[in-house]
Amino acid sequence: AQSVTQLGSHVSVSEGALVLLRCNYSSSVPPYLFWYVQYPNQGLQLLLKYTTGATLVKGINGFEAEFKKSETSFHLTKPSAHMSDAAEYFCAVSEKDNFNKFYFGSGTKLNVKP
Amino acid sequence: GAVVSQHPSWVICKSGTSVKIECRSLDFQATTMFWYRQFPKQSLMLMATSNEGSKATYEQGVEKDKFLINHASLTLSTLTVTSAHPEDSSFYICSALIASFVGDEQFFGPGTRLTVL
Repeated sequence: AQSVTQLGSHVSVSEGALVLLRCNYSSSVPPYLFWYVQYPNQGLQLLLKYTTGATLVKGINGFEAEFKKSETSFHLTKPSAHMSDAAEYFCAVSEKDNFNKFYFGSGTKLNVKP
Repeated sequence: GAVVSQHPSWVICKSGTSVKIECRSLDFQATTMFWYRQFPKQSLMLMATSNEGSKATYEQGVEKDKFLINHASLTLSTLTVTSAHPEDSSFYICSALIASFVGDEQFFGPGTRLTVL
């Protein structure tokens, strides 16, 4: 089975600073990769996903992530944090032959300081 | 985007009682829905895949008699936690699948927090 590791359960950045949320997966076969964001009392919202093609994926709200096969990583970045980015972020993977079975990381709560 | 609702958003019950959680797709039809549970500071774990009009498919280690899933219509799936015990206290999240030519996508509900006393 897959495992997904998100390093840092809490990350705090200043407004305008770079956001970097880390995600590593365990599969030897590159899976499909996702980042979701969850605001309080709301469902998970898809930020971006990688399936095939270009390894640098751009998502909503200025976020992007890069798939690095050699590092089995899919870290999420945003050049300049905004107060509205404060939320919990989940990395997830699914297997190419079972797309709908998701394995989630434990989540990273992003705090943005004014 | 597509909206998925869950009801209730939180519930507290006594040990031994049963609790039903509803998951609805509000503006689309979903033949497939998923149920997850999340313990504090842990990952979302897939419990079962719910298909409209057929029996749910449970993940290994999930008791199907304990967690009853009914997907009776294209917009509603229910999860019933039978004879709930304190160890069943958790955050339960559903998602609904939209399949399209550009790729499948899961849309998630806001979750239901269950506390069993």
